[in-house]
Amino acid sequence: GNSVTQMEGPVTLSEEAFLTINCTYTATGYPSLFWYVQYPGEGLQLLLKATKADDKGSNKGFEATYRKETTSFHLEKGSVQVSDSAVYFCALSDPSSGSARQLTFGSGTQLTVLP
Amino acid sequence: NAGVTQTPKFQVLKTGQSMTLQCAQDMNHEYMSWYRQDPGMGLRLIHYSVGAGITDQGEVPNGYNVSRSTTEDFPLRLLSAAPSQTSVYFCASSYAQGAGANVLTFGAGSRLTVL
Repeated sequence: GNSVTQMEGPVTLSEEAFLTINCTYTATGYPSLFWYVQYPGEGLQLLLKATKADDKGSNKGFEATYRKETTSFHLEKGSVQVSDSAVYFCALSDPSSGSARQLTFGSGTQLTVLP
Repeated sequence: NAGVTQTPKFQVLKTGQSMTLQCAQDMNHEYMSWYRQDPGMGLRLIHYSVGAGITDQGEVPNGYNVSRSTTEDFPLRLLSAAPSQTSVYFCASSYAQGAGANVLTFGAGSRLTVL
């Protein structure tokens, strides 16, 4: 079956530090890959996505590249801000497993950015 | 535009009680789903629906019922609450087809405690 493995948290960084959150996946077909972010007390919201190999998703200074050869979709940001403190979820959807709308999520990584 | 609205935000139940978590969306999305979020386990799919009158089971459906009588509403029923159902529940929706088919819009969540 499909699965998503995320880097264990929590992660604590100082403002303006470089961020990497690792994500690797297992899928039977050719999945689309996503990063969702959950701010305190809120639901998840889409941060970025990539639909095929070598695609780069980007939004709000965050980037992730779909690497088929390493089955990875690592999230990066060059300079984090306090406002980036949140839980980050890597996810995939695999149409070959039944429905493109069914997402498989990783366990989430808590990021705290200190001023 | 309200998006996805979940009620209640918080609920405490005793073992064996029943209740319904409400979910409504105003985006005319065909696809709606319920997830539960537990520490260290990410989000797991409970039930989903691809349109009015159509529902199906996800990864963890036991102890939950759903129905979809209208496009807008997708209530989740707990038939006889158990402590193992203590969790945060998220409703999410998306379009059924096209580029937006696998981009979920989430509600703010409902935190349920079963004593």
